[in-house]
Amino acid sequence: SAVISQKPSRDICQRGTSLTIQCQVDSQVTMMFWYRQQPGQSLTLIATANQGSEATYESGFVIDKFPISRPNLTFSTLTVSNMSPEDSSIYLCSVAGARQGASYEQYFGPGTRLTVT
Amino acid sequence: AQTVTQSQPEMSVQEAETVTLSCTYDTSESNYYLFWYKQPPSRQMILVIRQEAYKQQNATENRFSVNFQKAAKSFSLKISDSQLGDTAMYFCASLQWGGADGLTFGKGTHLIIQP
Repeated sequence: SAVISQKPSRDICQRGTSLTIQCQVDSQVTMMFWYRQQPGQSLTLIATANQGSEATYESGFVIDKFPISRPNLTFSTLTVSNMSPEDSSIYLCSVAGARQGASYEQYFGPGTRLTVT
Repeated sequence: AQTVTQSQPEMSVQEAETVTLSCTYDTSESNYYLFWYKQPPSRQMILVIRQEAYKQQNATENRFSVNFQKAAKSFSLKISDSQLGDTAMYFCASLQWGGADGLTFGKGTHLIIQP
């Protein structure tokens, strides 16, 4: 499967600020996704990052709060804007359509643990 | 929309025993994919096993196998000869056919393997 890295691995931020999380893949992939995992909870899809066009957001998530970029087939960013303590979560990117594995299989990055104080 | 239900918040078994984790799902599609992911304390999500809904044969990956009952919309995971390293959260997930959408996850089962 593809090797996926995320930066930063963790951060502590003050409320009202913004943080940009990077997701880098070692090979071109078809699909990239961003998920949120709140403390002790399951994963919830935030959006699909589309290469060269606006991301597709799930219900309850908006572009102003979670702007996403995907400039090419190996890189994406997620920004958490105007943060509040409720944004404290693990943010994970996933990819599908890598060289190895079935085209629909999703593989996850190591996650970014965000704490908002 | 798809929904996934895991009714066992936590399970505990002795090392070397066999354990089965339950998962039910709901979808209006006839074709879709199902997965089990493992999340150890390191929080890395690891794909354990996958099943295409059109395949009747149950998927197996070494000590991991599934019991896929399409009519009952049930997708359980069996772990044989459990090991201490199997201790983790296990998430059942579904994906619409085509794979262009995100995964829908269940709430997870915390599996503890006792020495």
